[in-house]
Amino acid sequence: QVQLKESGPVLVQASETLSLTCTVSGFSLTNYGVIWVRQPPGKGLEWMGIIWRNGNTDYNSALKSRLSINRDTSKSQVFLKMNSLQTDDTAIYYCTRWYLSHWGQGVMVTVSS
Amino acid sequence: DVVLTQTPPTLSATIGQSVSISCRSSQSLLHSNGNTYLHWLLQRPGQSPQLLIYSVSRLESGVPNRFSGSGSGTDFTLKISGVEAEDLGVYYCVQGTHAPWTFGGGTKLELK
Repeated sequence: QVQLKESGPVLVQASETLSLTCTVSGFSLTNYGVIWVRQPPGKGLEWMGIIWRNGNTDYNSALKSRLSINRDTSKSQVFLKMNSLQTDDTAIYYCTRWYLSHWGQGVMVTVSS
Repeated sequence: DVVLTQTPPTLSATIGQSVSISCRSSQSLLHSNGNTYLHWLLQRPGQSPQLLIYSVSRLESGVPNRFSGSGSGTDFTLKISGVEAEDLGVYYCVQGTHAPWTFGGGTKLELK
């Protein structure tokens, strides 16, 4: 059974770094890529980036300078780090398996000024 | 980046009515490998998005066959043949042909 679960702090101070973990089960990270998507309250979905099954990454152009996605295949975990947070980074952050077939429940992150 | 424009932004329907949602891309979504990576998602209130259709017209496992997708190049359509109450929510198209991937703005399906 494929599952993904996001974890990390729910409250982060502005200008600090957000660190989130996506822990997966039921599949291998060497067989499927994992995508991060976020959704500000009451707004639409925003694609943040992907770590492909070979470990390569692609990022949203607007976030590229602040964002990094890495993984630990032995622990079945994918990591998102984004620095210089601002209040408009407040959102639900989801991880999802390529090709968007399975999603985590999401984690609501609030950036406080 | 590729821009996906969804219309209409809001759709009111009665139960049993058939409806369509359009997704237009700012450039062709035909990949050099011959595939077209245009997918459709449904996000019900308070829930994570759910994949309905992938690669234009392929029905995801477990999704009712009243959902169908069509299109090519830059114009794509999601059709619901007989809306049911559980279909209410926001529909998104998303393209994975060109990096970075991008989402459409969403279409909210409401009950009339």
